[in-house]
Amino acid sequence: KNEVEQSPQNLTAQEGEFITINCSYSVGISALHWLQQHPGGGIVSLFMLSSGKKKHGRLIATINIQEKHSSLHITASHPRDSAVYICAVETLLSGGYNKLIFGAGTRLAVHP
Amino acid sequence: DSGVTQTPKHLITATGQRVTLRCSPRSGDLSVYWYQQSLDQGLQFLIQYYNGEERAKGNILERFSAQQFPDLHSELNLSSLELGDSALYFCASSVAPVTSGTWYNEQFFGPGTRLTVL
Repeated sequence: KNEVEQSPQNLTAQEGEFITINCSYSVGISALHWLQQHPGGGIVSLFMLSSGKKKHGRLIATINIQEKHSSLHITASHPRDSAVYICAVETLLSGGYNKLIFGAGTRLAVHP
Repeated sequence: DSGVTQTPKHLITATGQRVTLRCSPRSGDLSVYWYQQSLDQGLQFLIQYYNGEERAKGNILERFSAQQFPDLHSELNLSSLELGDSALYFCASSVAPVTSGTWYNEQFFGPGTRLTVL
């Protein structure tokens, strides 16, 4: 079983729909990241959170530490939101340094 | 534009060869991370450097090595290349390494180097 599981793997939506992508993890973490990977391959950091909720424009990320679960929501989706969304958790290594463990990603396609 | 640069963008080489990938972090960032993204394994952490010193190792093969230079740029060396090494290699940088319970570092990713081994 993977340490970071994302669902769904693939998601198709119509423009304007509300979208939710889920991430569950099985390890202790210090923070959780949501990343966006564009069709060209570039990766952008969307959110980094350790508790509660963060909002940036039409994007909202929440995390429940007790349940080891995070969600990424996109309101009023737009075709330019089409990308792969990747959940990554920071885990503590010996020596006090952290590493990222990545989920497999959710491929989102938003159609006009 | 994240401010992290990687060269080359694309690299095509043959099995058994050796290549070097280069990364320049954002101005002021002391930490550099290397990641591999292959079709079957997804994104995987390879290695981290902080201010010239290796700090953490992930799933990095013995055929691979890296270093961070005094000007903070980093190089990832891949040798005795195999077909399975074909992947996107990303570099990311952050201000400092994270220590649990203190503060958290956003990582800024470079555009990646696409390596094809034929």
